[in-house]
Amino acid sequence: SQQGEEDPQALSIQEGENATMNCSYKTSINNLQWYRQNSGRGLVHLILIRSNEREKHSGRLRVTLDTSKKSSSLLITASRAADTASYFCATDATGANSKLTFGKGITLSVRP
Amino acid sequence: DAGITQSPRHKVTETGTPVTLRCHQTENHRYMYWYRQDPGHGLRLIHYSYGVKDTDKGEVSDGYSVSRSKTEDFLLTLESATSSQTSVYFCAISVDGLSSYEQYFGPGTRLTVT
Repeated sequence: SQQGEEDPQALSIQEGENATMNCSYKTSINNLQWYRQNSGRGLVHLILIRSNEREKHSGRLRVTLDTSKKSSSLLITASRAADTASYFCATDATGANSKLTFGKGITLSVRP
Repeated sequence: DAGITQSPRHKVTETGTPVTLRCHQTENHRYMYWYRQDPGHGLRLIHYSYGVKDTDKGEVSDGYSVSRSKTEDFLLTLESATSSQTSVYFCAISVDGLSSYEQYFGPGTRLTVT
C-alpha cells in the first residue's frame, strides 16, 4: 500500500508562478524526500527533510513538514518550463529498514 | 545517473519466457533496489539487497526473483513473463554512510510482454 499520497495529481501553471504540491503519509517517519522525474528518465533526488525539521530550502525549492498532520508540501518558486516533470514524495518510515515508499506522483506542467 | 546502468534498456518478450534485467553500479554501494513503475501506481518496490547474497522482498515480489553475487551487480529475473509484468523497471542505490537512504536511480528498462 502507498505510504505517501500526493495532491493534486496534476498541476498546470504559467511560467513565473509558484507551484505547491502536497504529500500526506500514514505512519511515523525518519525523513521525507522529494524526487523529480522527467519524461522517460529515472527519478532524481531533490530534497530531504528529517522528522525533527519543519522547513528546508534548496534554491527555488522549499519543503515543509508537519508531523502532527503527517503531511509535507513542496513549493517551487518562480517556476520555469524546465520544471515540467513528475514529482514524487517518498517516506523513510520508522522501522522500514532502508526501504523508501513512494507516492503515485504529481504531474506538473509549466506553460511558457 | 550516479554511475548506475541498466541493461537492456528496452525489451520485448513473449509470455512464458524467462527474462533477466541487469543493474550495474560503479561505486560498490551496499544497498540496491528494483522498482516497477506503472501508470496509476507510481513506483513500487519489487526486491532489494543490502549486500552480496543478502536480499529481501518488497511490496510486489510475486513472479520475480533476484540475485546479487557481486557488489556491483543486482539481477532481476522474471521466471516466466506475463503480460501483467509489462512495465518500466528502475534500479536504484543508496549511498553508503547516509542514514537517510536517499536513492539514486538508473535510466530504466522498458519491458513489454506480448
